[in-house]
Amino acid sequence: DIVMTQSPESLAVSLGEGATISCKSSQSLFYSSNNKNYLAWYRQKPGQPPKLLIYWASTRESGVPDRFSGSGSGTDFTLTISSLQAEDVAVYYCQQYYGTPYTFGQGTKLEIK
Amino acid sequence: EVHLVESGGGLVQPGGSLRLSCAASGFTFSTYDMNWVRQAPGKGLEWISYISFSSSAKYYADSVKGRFTISRDNAKNSLFLQMSSLRAEDTALYYCASAWSGYYFNSWGQGTQVTVSS
Repeated sequence: DIVMTQSPESLAVSLGEGATISCKSSQSLFYSSNNKNYLAWYRQKPGQPPKLLIYWASTRESGVPDRFSGSGSGTDFTLTISSLQAEDVAVYYCQQYYGTPYTFGQGTKLEIK
Repeated sequence: EVHLVESGGGLVQPGGSLRLSCAASGFTFSTYDMNWVRQAPGKGLEWISYISFSSSAKYYADSVKGRFTISRDNAKNSLFLQMSSLRAEDTALYYCASAWSGYYFNSWGQGTQVTVSS
């Protein structure tokens, strides 16, 4: 199974400041035949289901604010929030869909400082 | 607008069975692969099962293999999860999630709670 490891486990950031979450996979998520990384990011606000933010490691889902960006390739990925808003308080998960069993990172809890 | 609504959860004794349903609307259900994902209280997300749009492929997490069965009815825009031999560790909020071409999970339902306890 592909193990997804996120860091940090929790993060406190001031409003308007940037936040960076790291996600590392135990094997490469890059598929050379289509030049894509099979990595997604989700945000789960308290009491709500997860919501897709980023797919193919760096493609923003429709309607997601451009303050969210994804980067990385192979086994190392990053989710960056450029200017934290109050509504960004949530738990963030990375997920690999390279192969089953699909696996998620353990989550990063983002709070306001 | 995409809408996924789970139902069928509840309180069940260890060893019991339960059938979850997920009603889909707002998109062409028959062209999307589907998944079940669960979240134990205060814990992270765990993928448990996948079914292709045509039902030709089905996959399970080791934690539920042999006990859970995924199915779908494209004519009724519905996804199902038949759960048997339930254990306390199956207690969780169960989400259905659509996956375009079997990739990322683009839409999620609100979830249905399953509690396994005597």
